Amino acid sequence: DAKTTQPTSMDCAEGRAANLPCNHSTISGNEYVYWYRQIHSQGPQYIIHGLKNNETNEMASLIITEDRKSSTLILPHATLRDTAVYYCIVRVPDNYGQNFVFGPGTRLSVLP
Amino acid sequence: DAGVTQSPTHLIKTRGQQVTLRCSPKSGHDTVSWYQQALGQGPQFIFQYYEEEERQRGNFPDRFSGHQFPNYSSELNVNALLLGDSALYLCASSLVASGAFVTQYFGPGTRLLVL
Repeated sequence: DAKTTQPTSMDCAEGRAANLPCNHSTISGNEYVYWYRQIHSQGPQYIIHGLKNNETNEMASLIITEDRKSSTLILPHATLRDTAVYYCIVRVPDNYGQNFVFGPGTRLSVLP
Repeated sequence: DAGVTQSPTHLIKTRGQQVTLRCSPKSGHDTVSWYQQALGQGPQFIFQYYEEEERQRGNFPDRFSGHQFPNYSSELNVNALLLGDSALYLCASSLVASGAFVTQYFGPGTRLLVL
């Protein structure tokens, strides 16, 4: 699996957009980008995934660069409840469910 | 619709003891994966069970073993506990779906402390 690099921590003002970057320069053609988050004392929660096109759902948007070597997760209007550790993972899809290797992630603090 | 549940929520053991953790998957799911999360680190994949068989395994010693029951629930067993086994143990479930994106849903975890 391709390795990812994320900033250790980030701050964001409540109500503003949170943009979380992820570098995955060794990504291969059949690997997807997945984002999960983990709120304190809870299990990880799926956010979004993509291959090469930009994706949007009710939680977030995922922007993947044309060369696919990096991506950005966007929370359009961050709230205090979005304070969490965000994990970017690159993996080939698996019909049984991804068995991810989670890195340390980015600790996002949303400030009032 | 019940999500993934795990028991117990917290557990304290001493070195050398054995422990069993339990997981009930989300309703309708047939696959269970287990992860270990040490303090300050991301979860690490232990193994995955499907059709009562271990399908995949991460880089964990044989002291870690598991089981899946006909109702899809699962147990994680750890023998000869070490201090380094202290961690949050997470269970995740999914439904096998050929050709479709499969999402894993995580439970709240069991926090194990080994003294």
